Amino acid sequence: DIQMTQSPSTLSASVGDRVTITCRASQNIGSRLAWYQQKPGKAPNLLIYQASSLESGVPSRFSGKGSGSGTEFTLTISSLQPDDFAAYYCQQLYRYPLTFGGGTKVEIK
Amino acid sequence: EVQLMESGGGLVQPGGSLRLSCAASGFTFSDHFMDWVRQAPGKGLEWVGRIRDKADSYSTEYAASVTGRFTISRDDSQNSVYLQMSSLKAEDTAVYYCVRVLGGGYCDHWGQGTLVTVSS
Repeated sequence: DIQMTQSPSTLSASVGDRVTITCRASQNIGSRLAWYQQKPGKAPNLLIYQASSLESGVPSRFSGKGSGSGTEFTLTISSLQPDDFAAYYCQQLYRYPLTFGGGTKVEIK
Repeated sequence: EVQLMESGGGLVQPGGSLRLSCAASGFTFSDHFMDWVRQAPGKGLEWVGRIRDKADSYSTEYAASVTGRFTISRDDSQNSVYLQMSSLKAEDTAVYYCVRVLGGGYCDHWGQGTLVTVSS
């Protein structure tokens, strides 16, 4: 199975901060990666697909990037807003079984 | 508006069985693969499995943790997808989400989830 490792597991930040979350795959997955946001008690919401494509309706302060190796990916929030305090998950869609990263909780500093 | 409504969750004893249902509306259900994803209390997301569409013979994929115990099926005439769970274990306790899959394989719409508790 492809292992997805997210870091950090928790991130404390302030409104207006630029934050970056990293997701590493145990093997090359090309650009077959998605990012989701999940707020407490709610279902996840798709933010980014194909590593860097912004889902319709998602604010442009969210961006995704992949490295040339196909193993390292980042989700960046350019200016953190109050609505962005949530958990974030990456998911690889390169090979079955599909796998998620362990998640990153973005907390208020 | 895309809507996915799970039902069938509840309390079940270890070794027991349960069938979850997901009713879809607001889109052409038969055109989409469908996933089940679960989340244990206070934990992260775990992909459970996928069922493809008629063009792909309704074939399925599963996580290793549920292979042989869980079965995904669908009824396009009822716009519904199902998760039949058997030989349930305590570690299957989770909120189970029904998820629509886009053409690229990405999950773009999620239901609100149904809680399954496996306990004696």
